[in-house]
Amino acid sequence: EAGVAQSPRYKIIEKRQSVAFWCNPISGHATLYWYQQILGQGPKLLIQFQNNGVVDDSQLPKDRFSAERLKGVDSTLKIQPAKLEDSAVYLCASSAGLHNEQFFGPGTRLTVL
Amino acid sequence: KQEVTQIPAALSVPEGENLVLNCSFTDSAIYNLQWFRQDPGKGLTSLLLIQSSQREQTSGRLNASLDKSSGRSTLYIAASQPGDSATYLCAARDPGGTSYGKLTFGQGTILTVHP
Repeated sequence: EAGVAQSPRYKIIEKRQSVAFWCNPISGHATLYWYQQILGQGPKLLIQFQNNGVVDDSQLPKDRFSAERLKGVDSTLKIQPAKLEDSAVYLCASSAGLHNEQFFGPGTRLTVL
Repeated sequence: KQEVTQIPAALSVPEGENLVLNCSFTDSAIYNLQWFRQDPGKGLTSLLLIQSSQREQTSGRLNASLDKSSGRSTLYIAASQPGDSATYLCAARDPGGTSYGKLTFGQGTILTVHP
């Protein structure tokens, strides 16, 4: 069974630029999550989708971050414009349902200069 | 709001030692608690998941316990090996409702096992 795929693995941009991350969850998983992990901290949930609907985006900085889940499968997370404090690893995870085990992708490491 | 704390922040031990990692959470109304391993530059790998009705789970040299009433969980690693070196994270899952089963993570314990 293929795991959660993410791309790119690494991205370096300058502040005020835009960036987008892509996630392909495990086939058949209805729930998809985006987490932000700042160096030295645990992951923090940014947004959670159930199929193609958002169920929790309470910690998403909506003035600069946006996310969508196309046809309930792949998802993209966008930052526009980026700030220095957005430097972090962005992790995507998926699960079969809201209370099922989450499986994580390798993450995208973003550096904002 | 759930808060999860892990102690110690870092731990260095010689190979062969038994060790304990600690995790505490502020809200005892959890659905389950999960321990993860994170290697440098990698995603998270699930190690053990303890349901709220359970007291412990075991997998190989790993044993995780859960005491909901005191808001604590421990991960016990027996006969540590250099390959165990990684960051260990615990996460408490909300029971549901408006929180939709949200995972709240601790900040992790960085474990180094010396040969």
